[in-house]
Amino acid sequence: NAGVTQTPKFQVLKTGQSMTLQCAQDMNHEYMSWYRQDPGMGLRLIHYSVGAGITDQGEVPNGYNVSRSTTEDFPLRLLSAAPSQTSVYFCASSKQGAYYEQYFGPGTRLTVT
Amino acid sequence: GENVEQHPSTLSVQEGDSAVIKCTYSDSASNYFPWYKQELGKGPQLIIDIRSNVGEKKDQRIAVTLNKTAKHFSLHITETQPEDSAVYFCAATNTPLVFGKGTRLSVIA
Repeated sequence: NAGVTQTPKFQVLKTGQSMTLQCAQDMNHEYMSWYRQDPGMGLRLIHYSVGAGITDQGEVPNGYNVSRSTTEDFPLRLLSAAPSQTSVYFCASSKQGAYYEQYFGPGTRLTVT
Repeated sequence: GENVEQHPSTLSVQEGDSAVIKCTYSDSASNYFPWYKQELGKGPQLIIDIRSNVGEKKDQRIAVTLNKTAKHFSLHITETQPEDSAVYFCAATNTPLVFGKGTRLSVIA
């Protein structure tokens, strides 16, 4: 199993550009989530999904969209990038009901200039 | 919603000494308390967790304790080694998982 994969690993955007961060898992996990990690701020939840077709907002959802059309994929869309979105983004997945045991991807480092 | 506070933010110990990281939570409905370790350039990885009906759990050099009345839980690492150097996160969950801000542990050889 590849586990949780994320692409790209690094990305530089200009203010106002849009892009999609890809996340896929091959463990048949129902639950998937997106976090951003900033220095001194820990891991903050952006959006999460408890299954295909169901998404919900986390702590910091503004400026981001998600969709969950399949169990395997959970892309994160930046609508109009801002310097405040410069961060490291992690995707994670877990079995339904085992939210404490999340499997994280390797992360995407995003810089917005 | 749940709020998790974690202390200290940085911790340096000599190799072989013990390290303790403490967390508090706010939501009495939270029932799982996992700990994650993040090595440089990688995503966090679950190292141990404790359920709300358990007071203590050990796994080799790592132990976690939970005080439900006081709403705090701790990670204890004994006989620290250089490979223990990493960022450690506590978390609490009812749903979804809420993380503390992390502790950067440095083990000095």
